[in-house]
Amino acid sequence: DGGITQSPKYLFRKEGQNVTLSCEQNLNHDAMYWYRQDPGQGLRLIYYSQIVNDFQKGDIAEGYSVSREKKESFPLTVTSAQKNPTAFYLCASSVSPPAGVSDTQYFGPGTRLTVL
Amino acid sequence: AQSVTQLDSHVSVSEGTPVLLRCNYSSSYSPSLFWYVQHPNKGLQLLLKYTSAATLVKGINGFEAEFKKSETSFHLTKPSAHMSDAAEYFCVVSELTGGGNKLTFGTGTQLKVEL
Repeated sequence: DGGITQSPKYLFRKEGQNVTLSCEQNLNHDAMYWYRQDPGQGLRLIYYSQIVNDFQKGDIAEGYSVSREKKESFPLTVTSAQKNPTAFYLCASSVSPPAGVSDTQYFGPGTRLTVL
Repeated sequence: AQSVTQLDSHVSVSEGTPVLLRCNYSSSYSPSLFWYVQHPNKGLQLLLKYTSAATLVKGINGFEAEFKKSETSFHLTKPSAHMSDAAEYFCVVSELTGGGNKLTFGTGTQLKVEL
């Protein structure tokens, strides 16, 4: 059963704590992405990785960090420096970078993070 | 720079009537365009994509979209709405940059289907 898994589905955090969101894919995709979704807004890109051991900042990277030690995994850490971390976080992957503008990104089910 | 405008934040239709979700885009190059659907607390599912082949694109669940370059539009349609179509829909434009494919998302259209 191929796809993208994200865990946990719901996550609660106290202010000042770091928290790590998991994203795993078994699609053999090279590229992976993290997005943040807020109500009434489209998705905004946090970080992306085109290949193992390499990643780039997206539009809203401040307060977040990532790693890409394995092709299948792209965890996102929300640090205490992120001022407003409560949001829905979506992970995505695509076949290979940059194969052309027709690349399709496939999304995981998301993690809803709430800061208490 | 590319951008996407979804002209309606909410659309309400009766079951069995046509659906029209409007999207206009701005892009410096020949873009790829996508429509995704999101059910509550779920990830995004690809409905269809345009990649400079046929301008009328057919997707899943009876949806289709027409690329009109002269109008910079990529509206999503379905002849007959079903209750299960109630969800949020995102229009997305993709451009190839030095850092790879960059997606720009619209702010979404919430589709409500009434009996």
